[in-house]
Amino acid sequence: KAGVTQTPRYLIKTRGQQVTLSCSPISGHRSVSWYQQTPGQGLQFLFEYFSETQRNKGNFPGRFSGRQFSNSRSEMNVSTLELGDSALYLCASSLARNYEQYFGPGTRLTVT
Amino acid sequence: DAKTTQPPSMDCAEGRAANLPCNHSTISGNEYVYWYRQIHSQGPQYIIHGLKNNETNEMASLIITEDRKSSTLILPHATLRDTAVYYCIYGSGNTGKLIFGQGTTLQVKP
Repeated sequence: KAGVTQTPRYLIKTRGQQVTLSCSPISGHRSVSWYQQTPGQGLQFLFEYFSETQRNKGNFPGRFSGRQFSNSRSEMNVSTLELGDSALYLCASSLARNYEQYFGPGTRLTVT
Repeated sequence: DAKTTQPPSMDCAEGRAANLPCNHSTISGNEYVYWYRQIHSQGPQYIIHGLKNNETNEMASLIITEDRKSSTLILPHATLRDTAVYYCIYGSGNTGKLIFGQGTTLQVKP
C-alpha cells in the first residue's frame, strides 16, 4: 500500500506570497492532520480534517488554512507568507480519528 | 494539553537493547500512549501504542506500568539506523491531534 505523499517536496517563496501544499493520504484513510516543524518550536499541530470537515485547529494565525476533499486528499494554504513560516510541513493520515497516524515526507518551505 | 517527560538524550551500543523511558503521570484511563520516531529530516514514523497491557510488534516492545503513569519503549537489538528522535505522546482524546514534546535523541554507537 502506498504511503502518504506530499507535493511539492521543496518550495521557495518570497515574503508576501501565498502557497498551497498538497497531501494524499494512504488509501482508505479518512483523517488527515497537518503539522509544522521548525528548529525553535519543534513539531506543532496545525489542523485536523475528517470527512471534509475541520475538526481541530492549533494555535496558528488565520493565514493558515486548509481543506479536505471527498477523496480525503487535503490541501493547506498559507497566505501573506512571512520569514517565520519557513519550516517543514508534515501531513499525516489515519484510518479515523484517534488511530495511529502515518506521516508523509513533508514539504520543506523556505520563505525569502 | 497533555505533557510527557522524556530524557533529552541517550546513547546505546549497537546490538544492545535500547530502553527509552517516558513519564505521563497525568494520563487518563482511556488514553493511549503512542510512540513515534523521527530520523533526521524525515516525517515521524509510528512505532507502537498501548493502553494498559504490554505490547510488542516487529519494531519494538512497549512496557506500561500498572498505574499507567510511565512507560518504556524497548528496541531489542539497536542498530545504527535506529538513531533518531523518539517521541512519547498521549492525550489527544478522540481527535487526530498529536502533541509532540521535545523527545529523546537516541544515538546508537558502533
